[in-house]
Amino acid sequence: AQKVTQTQTSISVVEKTTVTMDCVYETRDSSYFLFWYKQTASGEIVFLIRQDSYKKENATVGHYSLNFQKPKSSIGLIITATQIEDSAVYFCAMRDRSSGSWQLIFGSGTQLTVMP
Amino acid sequence: EAAVTQSPRSKVAVTGGKVTLSCHQTNNHDYMYWYRQDTGHGLRLIHYSYVADSTEKGDIPDGYKASRPSQENFSLILELASLSQTAVYFCASSERDRYAEQFFGPGTRLTVL
Repeated sequence: AQKVTQTQTSISVVEKTTVTMDCVYETRDSSYFLFWYKQTASGEIVFLIRQDSYKKENATVGHYSLNFQKPKSSIGLIITATQIEDSAVYFCAMRDRSSGSWQLIFGSGTQLTVMP
Repeated sequence: EAAVTQSPRSKVAVTGGKVTLSCHQTNNHDYMYWYRQDTGHGLRLIHYSYVADSTEKGDIPDGYKASRPSQENFSLILELASLSQTAVYFCASSERDRYAEQFFGPGTRLTVL
């Protein structure tokens, strides 16, 4: 069965530093898609970045990048030059071919606090 | 600007009462979803739809019904609300492509007393 696990419940960092959030997934499929979403304090959920399983290159969008380690079924989110407004809950999610329903399987989230 | 809106934004309901949560999207997306979020947890799929007049069950459909009368509108119905259904409910939409990201509404906070 598909499963997405985020073991870090919360992380605190100082502004302008780099942070990595971990995520491991389970799937039987060779083709799948991995997503990271951000939920702000107001509850708003926004899409950040996606990694396609067949791509070897790590995805990068702005100051977000991914560390995709396929043999370890791991997809870490890296935020460089963190800002106060990056404080939020970050969710990892996966969609694979067994998800014929096009549903996303979400992890439980990691609370990031960026301190001045 | 394309958007997903939800109404109401919050609601207090009584146990055994009927609750309807509404979702409207202007993204022209085929797929729409209803998720539930419990405090400190991720999102779990309740129902989804890929075409008007058709709905499908997600991971936790028990106690919920869904209705998709048009491409733009998707409702979640709790016929007999229970205490355990107190949660925040999110609606989302996406294109039909497997790699497409989902766009979320602002959420509805439901409290069942």
